[in-house]
Amino acid sequence: GAGVSQSPSNKVTEKGKDVELRCDPISGHTALYWYRQSLGQGLEFLIYFQGNSAPDKSGLPSDRFSAERTGGSVSTLTIQRTQQEDSAVYLCASSARQSSGANVLTFGAGSRLTVL
Amino acid sequence: KQEVTQIPAALSVPEGENLVLNCSFTDSAIYNLQWFRQDPGKGLTSLLLIQSSQREQTSGRLNASLDKSSGRSTLYIAASQPGDSATYLCAVPSGGSYIPTFGRGTSLIVHP
Repeated sequence: GAGVSQSPSNKVTEKGKDVELRCDPISGHTALYWYRQSLGQGLEFLIYFQGNSAPDKSGLPSDRFSAERTGGSVSTLTIQRTQQEDSAVYLCASSARQSSGANVLTFGAGSRLTVL
Repeated sequence: KQEVTQIPAALSVPEGENLVLNCSFTDSAIYNLQWFRQDPGKGLTSLLLIQSSQREQTSGRLNASLDKSSGRSTLYIAASQPGDSATYLCAVPSGGSYIPTFGRGTSLIVHP
């Protein structure tokens, strides 16, 4: 597609439920990033996928968080047993990996998660 | 681990002023530095990317500079307009990484 697409745009869930957030990156972009932005906070890195390499999961805050990327394209971020502190905007970005360092990130509009 | 600091945290100026937003970072062995804009309730829009071999980039009224040795970048906005009101974010990867660390941003208001 022309841009990075994320769904749902808004999700309200009850504490303890599982949620899945989807990211459809720009066609041909090999790199995909997940960040989250809590109210009044900066962007917090979660996970990074690059081609067929093992993902960098160093930013995942707990084992309740996981992500996968199927076929090198669509990615799903799953949060199990949601807690109120998981409430945030989850942002996905993709880029065309370039060894020169010219990897401009294109962000989606985000998925706003509210845990009651 | 890269740490990114942006100053000022907030700025309110009258239309027409020239502005300088500052970004500092701790790990200078970087591939690039990016400036983004975020409008309320929206995602991020890339403004400028400076590769490590470059010292500045320009796009319209925006000019970004990079001084790797001192760990600093500035975003210069010429002749500010109310439509420039947004939060401006600086993003810098750690040395050897392509994963940007973001600053907390500068919230800019340009009033008519």
